[in-house]
Amino acid sequence: KAGVTQTPRYLIKTRGQQVTLSCSPISGHRSVSWYQQTPGQGLQFLFEYFSETQRNKGNFPGRFSGRQFSNSRSEMNVSTLELGDSALYLCASSPGVAGAPDTQYFGPGTRLTVL
Amino acid sequence: KQEVTQIPAALSVPEGENLVLNCSFTDSAIYNLQWFRQDPGKGLTSLLLIQSSQREQTSGRLNASLDKSSGRSTLYIAASQPGDSATYLCAVRGGYSGAGSYQLTFGKGTKLSVIP
Repeated sequence: KAGVTQTPRYLIKTRGQQVTLSCSPISGHRSVSWYQQTPGQGLQFLFEYFSETQRNKGNFPGRFSGRQFSNSRSEMNVSTLELGDSALYLCASSPGVAGAPDTQYFGPGTRLTVL
Repeated sequence: KQEVTQIPAALSVPEGENLVLNCSFTDSAIYNLQWFRQDPGKGLTSLLLIQSSQREQTSGRLNASLDKSSGRSTLYIAASQPGDSATYLCAVRGGYSGAGSYQLTFGKGTKLSVIP
């Protein structure tokens, strides 16, 4: 099975711009979660989508949003970028259904730099 | 709010040594606990998952234990190798009735260096 893929791998933006990141989960996985990783805060949960619905949400401002499509692919969007949004953005997929292992499979991440 | 702490932040050991990484969490109402490794600039790789009803899980040279009542988990690595050098992260999945509302809360990791 192909692993979780994320595009783009690297991105440079300026303050005030917006950005869209994409994640393709492992085939058959219906849950996609997004995380932000920074040296200071570590890994922080952004949100989780399951069957096109946001199932869980972390403590991030409304500038961070996401969506999931019918094929389980997911996108996250950050509007009005700030310098502090510079981070590695990771997505993870799992089957997401009751009774299935909760093992999270992570993609390689998108490195976002805000100038 | 669930908080996960990993001590030490960094560890350096000679090749062949057995070692233990520690993880503690504040809310014992968890669904499961997971250990991951992360290589520099890469995503995370799942190592072991322990359900809240289990005490330990083993995979090859790795053994993870869980003591939910005391809010602790350990990851034991036997006969360490240079290829084990990475950052090891512990993550707790909150239970529906506990802090964290079912989300994964990560510790900041232990950076392990195995010296040849």
